[in-house]
Amino acid sequence: EDQVTQSPEALRLQEGESSSLNCSYTVSGLRGLFWYRQDPGKGPEFLFTLYSAGEEKEKERLKATLTKKESFLHITAPKPEDSATYLCAVGRTGTASKLTFGTGTRLQVTL
Amino acid sequence: DSGVTQTPKHLITATGQRVTLRCSPRSGDLSVYWYQQSLDQGLQFLIQYYNGEERAKGNILERFSAQQFPDLHSELNLSSLELGDSALYFCASSVVGSGRDGYTFGSGTRLTVV
Repeated sequence: EDQVTQSPEALRLQEGESSSLNCSYTVSGLRGLFWYRQDPGKGPEFLFTLYSAGEEKEKERLKATLTKKESFLHITAPKPEDSATYLCAVGRTGTASKLTFGTGTRLQVTL
Repeated sequence: DSGVTQTPKHLITATGQRVTLRCSPRSGDLSVYWYQQSLDQGLQFLIQYYNGEERAKGNILERFSAQQFPDLHSELNLSSLELGDSALYFCASSVVGSGRDGYTFGSGTRLTVV
């Protein structure tokens, strides 16, 4: 069974204080690893897809990396508007489009 | 606005009742997915439809059913509701059914069963 574990559950940073969120996964045949951002009361917003170990993608202050067992979401010099829950998900080959999600990391960035 | 429209936004109903949640996918998207998000379990995959046909099924209860219509909108029917069915229900859509790229979520329907 596919498993996704995210850590930490919650993270509080001061504005400008860089950090990383972790996503550990177990899947037999990775189709893709997905990062989403979710604001309270809203649907998840797609950020990145990573397909193979060693791949990296960047978007503004966010950078996602992938190894064979985990993915990191690096947040550089965060701003209060980066506060949200960050979700990680995996898709397995041969399972159509089903994604298995982790429970997320709640990030709060304060002034 | 993500382009995926879900109605209603909020629903309060009593145990034993039946409700229908509606989803209109983003223009051009053929695939629709339903997910349930509860506080203790995160996002759980329920079911996927592609161009009107069921494509994949998750841990969807027998009391729940879904369909996708010719105009590609989808409905999720929840019957014999229990307190534990209270959750956020999200619909998502994508162009194709392979899921190789991330799909787009709607803003969800918050269901409260009392």
